[in-house]
Amino acid sequence: AQSVTQLGSHVSVSEGALVLLRCNYSSSVPPYLFWYVQYPNQGLQLLLKYTTGATLVKGINGFEAEFKKSETSFHLTKPSAHMSDAAEYFCAVSDETSYDKVIFGPGTSLSVIP
Amino acid sequence: NAGVTQTPKFQVLKTGQSMTLQCAQDMNHEYMSWYRQDPGMGLRLIHYSVGAGITDQGEVPNGYNVSRSTTEDFPLRLLSAAPSQTSVYFCASSYSGSPVNVLTFGAGSRLTVL
Repeated sequence: AQSVTQLGSHVSVSEGALVLLRCNYSSSVPPYLFWYVQYPNQGLQLLLKYTTGATLVKGINGFEAEFKKSETSFHLTKPSAHMSDAAEYFCAVSDETSYDKVIFGPGTSLSVIP
Repeated sequence: NAGVTQTPKFQVLKTGQSMTLQCAQDMNHEYMSWYRQDPGMGLRLIHYSVGAGITDQGEVPNGYNVSRSTTEDFPLRLLSAAPSQTSVYFCASSYSGSPVNVLTFGAGSRLTVL
């Protein structure tokens, strides 16, 4: 079965610093990968997605992620953190047996220190 | 556009009680799903449906029932609630059949089982 791992359940960065949230997946076929964000007391919303083509994917709010097949990774980055980026971030992958099923990682809580 | 609507937002049950979490979407999405969110576990797929009359199990289906009689509605039933079912439940929907399965989430239903 597919799985998604996110290194670090909690990450703290200073305002203006680089944000790096790590995601690794297991899949025997080329996956479709997603990052979702959850702000406090809200549902999840899509940040960005990788399907095919360019491996560097840009999303909303200045985030981007790079698909590296050789490393089975899809790390999320943002050059300069803003206070409003404080949230829970989830990496997800479409299930290889059924694209309709989306499997989520455990999440990383991002804190931004003023 | 209401998107995905979940009711109730909060519910407290006693062990052994039954209840139904409601989910409705007005986007004509074929695919609907239920996740539960627990600290450190991310979102885990409970059940999903790719269309009216079709349902299937996800990662953690035990203790939950679903049905899909219409495209719009996908209720989640707990027949005999247990404390282990204390969680936040999210309903999500999307168009089916595409690997680019971008989910639209509801705001969540927080369930406590005493």
